[in-house]
Amino acid sequence: QKEVEQNSGPLSVPEGAIASLNCTYSDRVSQSFFWYRQYSGKSPELIMSIYSNGDKEDGRFTAQLNKASQYVSLLIRDSQPSDSATYLCAVANFNKFYFGSGTKLNVKP
Amino acid sequence: ETGVTQSPTHLIKTRGQQVTLRCSSQSGHNTVSWYQQALGQGPQFIFQYYREEENGRGNFPPRFSGLQFPNYSSELNVNALELDDSALYLCASSFRTSGSLAYEQFFGPGTRLTVL
Repeated sequence: QKEVEQNSGPLSVPEGAIASLNCTYSDRVSQSFFWYRQYSGKSPELIMSIYSNGDKEDGRFTAQLNKASQYVSLLIRDSQPSDSATYLCAVANFNKFYFGSGTKLNVKP
Repeated sequence: ETGVTQSPTHLIKTRGQQVTLRCSSQSGHNTVSWYQQALGQGPQFIFQYYREEENGRGNFPPRFSGLQFPNYSSELNVNALELDDSALYLCASSFRTSGSLAYEQFFGPGTRLTVL
């Protein structure tokens, strides 16, 4: 079993819609959770971090964490074509970081 | 504020050779982590350096080794290169204190290594 699981996609949404990206993790003692965006040929770019159960909002992005279900999600409101990228979920346990394989998002104009 | 930088950008080596990749951490950061990213996969954690010591390691063999210098820059060394070592190698820096459980990492542009 992989430490972090993501649906590889592609997830296609029309411009202006809400994109919902999901991630599950296996290690119950994981403490920190992150979402990164990676454009083709580029390095990952941090979008958000979340450490406590519940929702955290930053602009058009909302991260949701449910430690009991070992589940993290990212909502992107008012999706734009420039949001088209691969979204990576990362889970940290003190000094080890685990990434999922990423979900490819396509936002269609 | 200077971001994370890596050198070289691209590198071509042959099987059995050794390679050294370099990373300069972002200003104010004291921790460096190294990752290997194969095509179509997420980054795989190699190890982390904090206070010039290895502080956490993923499932990589001992031929992957590293250093962190007093200015917090870091090197990744890979000996006896194999074809499967071809990948994008990413360095990420962060600021953490001893015992901190939560710290964000910021990635450099990466080094593309090709092993022939």
